[in-house]
Amino acid sequence: SQTIHQWPATLVQPVGSPLSLECTVEGTSNPNLYWYRQAAGRGLQLLFYSVGIGQISSEVPQNLSASRPQDRQFILSSKKLLLSDSGFYLCAWGVGNTEAFFGQGTRLTVV
Amino acid sequence: QKEVEQNSGPLSVPEGAIASLNCTYSDRGSQSFFWYRQYSGKSPELIMFIYSNGDKEDGRFTAQLNKASQYVSLLIRDSQPSDSATYLCAAPNSGYSTLTFGKGTMLLVSP
Repeated sequence: SQTIHQWPATLVQPVGSPLSLECTVEGTSNPNLYWYRQAAGRGLQLLFYSVGIGQISSEVPQNLSASRPQDRQFILSSKKLLLSDSGFYLCAWGVGNTEAFFGQGTRLTVV
Repeated sequence: QKEVEQNSGPLSVPEGAIASLNCTYSDRGSQSFFWYRQYSGKSPELIMFIYSNGDKEDGRFTAQLNKASQYVSLLIRDSQPSDSATYLCAAPNSGYSTLTFGKGTMLLVSP
């Protein structure tokens, strides 16, 4: 069966510090991979998605970036965090134009 | 990009009652819909999907799709306090490997 791993579960970072969140999927090949953010009391905001290695689509212009160095690895990064980057970051995978399955999420607090 | 609208709630129902959660969408071309449940502080989990007009039942859950009226609903029979969560409706974006999510409806089931 397929599983998705996302870490860390919680993170507290100072303003201006870098960020790296990693997500890996097991049990499937060539999945679509997604990064979402959910701010407190807000809906899910799609940040990036990838349909293959090295293919990244950005949905929202911001100081975040994503990379997919391997088929089942998706990384979310920032060079300098802003207070507004605080939120619940969710990695997800899917196949084709169907449902998405979420990792456990990373709660990021920028202080 | 399509819009998926949900009443934010909270929807309060007593234990044992039927909870009815609704979602409307703007894209008449939408062919499938997904319902996710998200407990506070946790990631969304897929609970139901529906592809065709009519009803689809899975245990205490029934999804209803009415393409003519562009709405999809989720009925939860014999509601339990453990059903208290936010329910998210999602639809695929045509031509893209992404989903559009509603902002979710919070359901509160009182004992």
